[in-house]
Amino acid sequence: EAQVTQNPRYLITVTGKKLTVTCSQNMNHEYMSWYRQDPGLGLRQIYYSMNVEVTDKGDVPEGYKVSRKEKRNFPLILESPSPNQTSLYFCASSPGQRARKLFFGSGTQLSVL
Amino acid sequence: AQSVSQHNHHVILSEAASLELGCNYSYGGTVNLFWYVQYPGQHLQLLLKYFSGDPLVKGIKGFEAEFIKSKFSFNLRKPSVQWSDTAEYFCAVNGADQGGKLIFGQGTELSVKP
Repeated sequence: EAQVTQNPRYLITVTGKKLTVTCSQNMNHEYMSWYRQDPGLGLRQIYYSMNVEVTDKGDVPEGYKVSRKEKRNFPLILESPSPNQTSLYFCASSPGQRARKLFFGSGTQLSVL
Repeated sequence: AQSVSQHNHHVILSEAASLELGCNYSYGGTVNLFWYVQYPGQHLQLLLKYFSGDPLVKGIKGFEAEFIKSKFSFNLRKPSVQWSDTAEYFCAVNGADQGGKLIFGQGTELSVKP
């Protein structure tokens, strides 16, 4: 089944403790991206990648890192999480090098205490 | 900078009523436009998209949207809503020279009463 898989679904952590949210897609898509969803703000793009080894900042990249060493994986790294990063995170992928048709993962609810 | 504005935060309709959700964007160049839907407990999925050509775009489940370039708008419409259309709807814009950058609006929550 074609899908975007994020892990974990739920995560509670403490300020400053490094964490990684994994994202994997099995559709051979070039484009992948991370978003955070906050009430009243919609989805805001954190980082995107148009192909392997190519990543670019979205609208809210501060406090986040990404890497794209393989086509299928696009992990989101929070080196030193803070409470304002408490949010619902979505990974998405799309065929081609742009966001022409996004396929979303199920989301990761992160709480930073 | 690009921005997307969805005028209605929460819309409540009765079944069979007509729907129009507003979306305006600010970007001077060529744009690709999208509407995504998020049903309760599910992840987002694409409803329809516009890249070029006919400005009236038809999507899944009877939805359509019209791109009006002079008004920088891409409003979503459905002639007759159903209870199953209850969801949150997001408009999104990608500037043609913005690479993979995609800007979403704040979202509109639609509640349809049976």
